[in-house]
Amino acid sequence: NAGVTQTPKFQVLKTGQSMTLQCAQDMNHNSMYWYRQDPGMGLRLIYYSASEGTTDKGEVPNGYNVSRLNKREFSLRLESAAPSQTSVYFCASSYNYGTSGTDTQYFGPGTRLTVL
Amino acid sequence: AQKVTQAQTEISVVEKEDVTLDCVYETRDTTYYLFWYKQPPSGELVFLIRRNSFDEQNEISGRYSWNFQKSTSSFNFTITASQVVDSAVYFCALKGSNYQLIWGAGTKLIIKP
Repeated sequence: NAGVTQTPKFQVLKTGQSMTLQCAQDMNHNSMYWYRQDPGMGLRLIYYSASEGTTDKGEVPNGYNVSRLNKREFSLRLESAAPSQTSVYFCASSYNYGTSGTDTQYFGPGTRLTVL
Repeated sequence: AQKVTQAQTEISVVEKEDVTLDCVYETRDTTYYLFWYKQPPSGELVFLIRRNSFDEQNEISGRYSWNFQKSTSSFNFTITASQVVDSAVYFCALKGSNYQLIWGAGTKLIIKP
């Protein structure tokens, strides 16, 4: 049981390049999330998927797109990377969205992205 | 608006000391949930506790304890007899009616041997 896995762990991009961050969970969770973490700040939600087949914007969605490929996988795409997107990206999942008591989010190990 | 404040940016103590990490939150919701996560130097985020707004009982788990006080909008975390392995960044987070987690900026805890 691997929990939440993310690939890659590290990535360096040049401004304008594109890339996709991959996330998968094996906990049979319905909801998945993408966050970014910047120095001295808490996590900020980029996008989330409350259930398979749905995606919604979070606090900081500009410059990103997501795809909920199936129940297990949720990818984050940067179409044209900018230096402001240099950050650590975390994927998370929870059994349910909302506040049902099964909404605790469990996190992947993170992807450290640098955009030059 | 919802907000979580962790005023202590960094705390440094000597091993075996007790240490309290403060968390103050703001919300207009009557039903909400509070969380603590630990981020060790390896970088992953580890869930520690979830507490709902109707349950003000303090919770103890081994050396960890949490004090929830609605009157002061605080959800503080105490580590008793700290150990070097407790060194990490600790985050407090709030979930209200919009279902999204609002995170504090984190407190970096350094335990010196």
